[in-house]
Amino acid sequence: EEQLVESGGGLVQPGRSLRLSCTASGFTFRDYSLTWVRQAPGKGPEWISFIRNKVYGMTTEYAASVKGRFTISRDDSKSIAYLQMNSLKIEDTGIYYCTRDGILGGDDCWGQGTLVTVSS
Amino acid sequence: EIVMTQSPATLSVSPGERATLSCRASQSIRSNLAWYQQRPGQAPRLLIYRASNRATGIPARFSGSESGTEFTLTISSLQSEDFAVYYCQQYNDWPRTFGQGTKVEIK
Repeated sequence: EEQLVESGGGLVQPGRSLRLSCTASGFTFRDYSLTWVRQAPGKGPEWISFIRNKVYGMTTEYAASVKGRFTISRDDSKSIAYLQMNSLKIEDTGIYYCTRDGILGGDDCWGQGTLVTVSS
Repeated sequence: EIVMTQSPATLSVSPGERATLSCRASQSIRSNLAWYQQRPGQAPRLLIYRASNRATGIPARFSGSESGTEFTLTISSLQSEDFAVYYCQQYNDWPRTFGQGTKVEIK
């Protein structure tokens, strides 16, 4: 079964850092680009970051709301993607999902999400 | 940034009836549009990619269409498990953007 499992969420104070992990199984991780999407309480999803596979140089994209504060990376040897989140703000609160960028289009595999709460 | 506008915000439909959801892009996205379903407490699930192609395992009652920058998701005969929130997303340009969602509720 193709699966993504996020971890690393929790309660953190504003200005602090947190690193999320996304562990993949059931498919060839290195072949795919990956995305982080977050969802604030009661709101719709918000795309925040993307990393291409090695063939495309593992280059990255970021939403303006997180650019300069968040860093996406991947370790193909471990089938894990990361989201390093620095200088966290209250508005970063939400469920963070890791997704697989489908070869044919759309995000075709989603994790169950990990909750990040930024509060003093 | 491409703005995706969904309508209506809420759609009240009886089981067995047809539901038609709309999504409009602020500029051309070609056919690079996906539809997702999100049930309460769950992650979104891909229904449609490339505007009109069903994802793996998605029932045939779900269909997508496009006309220029207007996109439509049709659920031909609503089942109990289809009452959920639906989002469109463009992946033609960065940043990728989602619509605000349409909630399909039981009438």
